[in-house]
Amino acid sequence: AQTVTQSQPEMSVQEAETVTLSCTYDTSESNYYLFWYKQPPSRQMILVIRQEAYKQQNATENRFSVNFQKAAKSFSLKISDSQLGDTAMYFCAFMKLLNNFNKFYFGSGTKLNVKP
Amino acid sequence: DTGVSQDPRHKITKRGQNVTFRCDPISEHNRLYWYRQTLGQGPEFLTYFQNEAQLEKSRLLSDRFSAERPKGSFSTLEIQRTEQGDSAMYLCASSPGPKQFFGPGTRLTVL
Repeated sequence: AQTVTQSQPEMSVQEAETVTLSCTYDTSESNYYLFWYKQPPSRQMILVIRQEAYKQQNATENRFSVNFQKAAKSFSLKISDSQLGDTAMYFCAFMKLLNNFNKFYFGSGTKLNVKP
Repeated sequence: DTGVSQDPRHKITKRGQNVTFRCDPISEHNRLYWYRQTLGQGPEFLTYFQNEAQLEKSRLLSDRFSAERPKGSFSTLEIQRTEQGDSAMYLCASSPGPKQFFGPGTRLTVL
């Protein structure tokens, strides 16, 4: 069974600083995708960044980047130059590719507070 | 706005009543997922549709739960004889491939 673990229930960071959110996962699959989703308070989840397991290069999206360590099954999210609008729950997700369907497994989330 | 929409956004019901939620996916997406999210947790998979076919159901989906996607467009999730443990956010997501787009969710409170 696939599991996704986010060991930091809550984190704080000062505006303009950098913060790293941790995620580990457990799988026997070799081909899969990893995602970070953001869920602002009372708003819907939006995709932050995606990483294909077959790609060695770490994904980046503007101020967001990941450190993907396949052997260690680790997938951390780095947010640079943190902004107040980054305050949200962040969920790490693992996607397993099946014949007819892509199954997603989510971690329990990290609540990020960006302080002015 | 052509994103995923869900209706209603909030539902309060009494234990034992039936409730139905609707999800309208992004129009060109043939894949549709339902999730349940309780406070402080990530979404848990409930069921999956590819077009009108329900291809996968979680063991979380008891026989009180049923979902449909009759014409491969919108989907409904019905909970019969609601229990207090059903109180949660019910999320819908649609997908063209390995990326999901979530709706705002329906928050269910069972009194």
